Amino acid sequence: DVVMTQSPLSLPVTLGQPASISCRSSQSLVHRDGNIYLNWFQQRPGQSPRRLIYKVSNRDSGVPDRISGSGSGTDFTLKISRVEAEDVATYYCIQGTHWPYTFGQGTKLEIK
Amino acid sequence: EVQLVESGGGLVQPGGSLRLSCAASGLTFNRNAMTWVRQAPGKGLEWVSSIYDNGDSTYYADSVKGRFTISRDNSKNTLSLQMNTLRAEDTAIYYCATGRGTYWGRGTLVIVAS
Repeated sequence: DVVMTQSPLSLPVTLGQPASISCRSSQSLVHRDGNIYLNWFQQRPGQSPRRLIYKVSNRDSGVPDRISGSGSGTDFTLKISRVEAEDVATYYCIQGTHWPYTFGQGTKLEIK
Repeated sequence: EVQLVESGGGLVQPGGSLRLSCAASGLTFNRNAMTWVRQAPGKGLEWVSSIYDNGDSTYYADSVKGRFTISRDNSKNTLSLQMNTLRAEDTAIYYCATGRGTYWGRGTLVIVAS
């Protein structure tokens, strides 16, 4: 199975400052169709997960442009350019290239 | 508006069975792969199972393979998860989601305990 490793697992950030979360896969996530199925989800306390980014860098509808995804191969990053209070949540990456799909452990973002 | 509504959760004894359902509306159900994801109390997300839009292909996490069965009824816009031989470690909120997670339900809680 593909192992997804996120870091850090805890991320204290000052309001207005940037934040960055790393997600590394144990093998390439390039699908035979040429796509890379690496998605990012946000889960606020007490809520269902919400997809933010699909296929590495595509923002879902309603996601602010201060949130971005990048990466290739086995190394991926979620960035928030200026953290706001509404960003307090746990963030997960998931690979959807290889069965079984696998999530990272989650990164808990909190306000410092 | 897309809605996914899970039902069927509850308290069950170890070794017991439970069937979860997910009612979908606001989307062309038979054109969407569907997925179950679970979250144990205070833990992270775990992908459980997925099924292709026509139901021909199904996939399972190793932790549930041989015990859980995913299925769908495209005529009723319904996704199901039959869970047998339940264990304490299956205790979790079970979420229904479209294929790679565009839409999610609110989840249904399964507790496996004696």
